[in-house]
Amino acid sequence: EVQVVESGGGLVQPGRSLRLSCTASGFSLGDYAVGWFRQAPGEGLEWVGLIRSKIYGETTEYAASVSGRFTISKDNSKTIAYLQMNSLKTEDTAVYYCARGRAAITSYYFDYWGQGTLVTVSS
Amino acid sequence: DIQMTQSPSTLSASVGDRVTITCRASQSISRWLAWYQQKPGKAPKLLIYEASSLESGVPSRFSGSGYGTEFTLTITSLQPDDFATYYCQQYNAFPCSFGQGTKLESK
Repeated sequence: EVQVVESGGGLVQPGRSLRLSCTASGFSLGDYAVGWFRQAPGEGLEWVGLIRSKIYGETTEYAASVSGRFTISKDNSKTIAYLQMNSLKTEDTAVYYCARGRAAITSYYFDYWGQGTLVTVSS
Repeated sequence: DIQMTQSPSTLSASVGDRVTITCRASQSISRWLAWYQQKPGKAPKLLIYEASSLESGVPSRFSGSGYGTEFTLTITSLQPDDFATYYCQQYNAFPCSFGQGTKLESK
């Protein structure tokens, strides 16, 4: 059964860092892209970034709101994808989701999503 | 960046109704559109991809159509389990973008 499970959320002070994990099972992480998303309380879905599969060089894309502060990586041997979040701001407070990406011509849609992990940025 | 606009923002309907949600893109996205369902406190669930392809395991009462800039999600014979928020997502280009969501509530 395909599953992705996020972990690592919590309360963090502004300006600090946090790393989220996305543990995959039921499929080979290296063969798929992984997307990260967030949803602020009461708000809609926001795409955060993506890491492509091995055949596409595991290159990354980021939303402008997090570019330069957030970094996505993968450890295929551990079947874990990571979202490293630095210089956190109060507006980064949200539930963070990871999802498996299916490739289209130029981008991706997402078929399996985790249950989310809450990140609260507050002093 | 491509902006996605859904309408209506809220839709009231009854079990057995046929409902339609519209998603408009600020520029052509060909057929590169997905629809998701999200229930409170839960992860989004993929319903439709490539505008009209039904994801495996999704009931056939869900259907999608459209091309270019205008797309629709239709649910025929609404079931109690269908009351949720629905999002469209374009994947024609980065950054991926979602509509603001349509909350389908019981009348």
